[in-house]
Amino acid sequence: DIVMTQSPDSLAVSLGERATISCRSSQSLLYSSNDKNYLAWYQQKPGQPPKLLIYWASTRESGVPDRFSGSGSGTDFTLTISSLQAEDVAVYYCQHYYNTPPTFGQGTKLEIK
Amino acid sequence: QVQLQQWGAGLLKPSETLSLTCAVSGGSFSGYYWSWVRQSPGKGLEWIAEINHSGSTNHNASLKSRVTISRDTSKKQFSLKMTSVTAADTAVYFCAARKEVLVWFEELGKELPRGNNWFAIWGQGTLVTVSA
Repeated sequence: DIVMTQSPDSLAVSLGERATISCRSSQSLLYSSNDKNYLAWYQQKPGQPPKLLIYWASTRESGVPDRFSGSGSGTDFTLTISSLQAEDVAVYYCQHYYNTPPTFGQGTKLEIK
Repeated sequence: QVQLQQWGAGLLKPSETLSLTCAVSGGSFSGYYWSWVRQSPGKGLEWIAEINHSGSTNHNASLKSRVTISRDTSKKQFSLKMTSVTAADTAVYFCAARKEVLVWFEELGKELPRGNNWFAIWGQGTLVTVSA
């Protein structure tokens, strides 16, 4: 199975500042045939299911604010929140879908400093 | 807009069988892969199994011997059964959907459908506790 490792485990950022979360995979998620990275990002708030933010490593899901962006390729990926809002407090997960089984990172808890 | 509503028993004794069902509303049952994902403090988010509208299934090898996933297309529902549960199976169980998308393959010169994608839609979750 592909192992997904996120860093840091927790992060405190001031309102309006940038938040950056990293995700590393144990093997490349870049499929050479179509030059796509098979990685998604989710946001989960307490008592709720995860919510899809980003897929194909950098494509924002419809309705997701443009302060959320994804980048990276191969084995190293980043989720960036350009200007942290109070409603962004949550746990964030990366997930690969390169093969079966799809696996998730352990999560990064984002809080307000 | 596809939505998922799930239900099932929340308290089980060791060795019993977990049974959960998820109903699909607001859209077609075909064109999706219907999954179960669980979340526990110890193991985080873990994909369990999936089934599509035609009945094709995939399982997480770590759970395959104890898991059955099935669907009822007439009711637009899919279900999970997990036998011989232990305390380690205590978790919040989510049903979730992955939409089949067309992906371009350069070497083939064409697009092919792919269901192993991102989880776009989630049910509300069911806490299942296994305790004697």
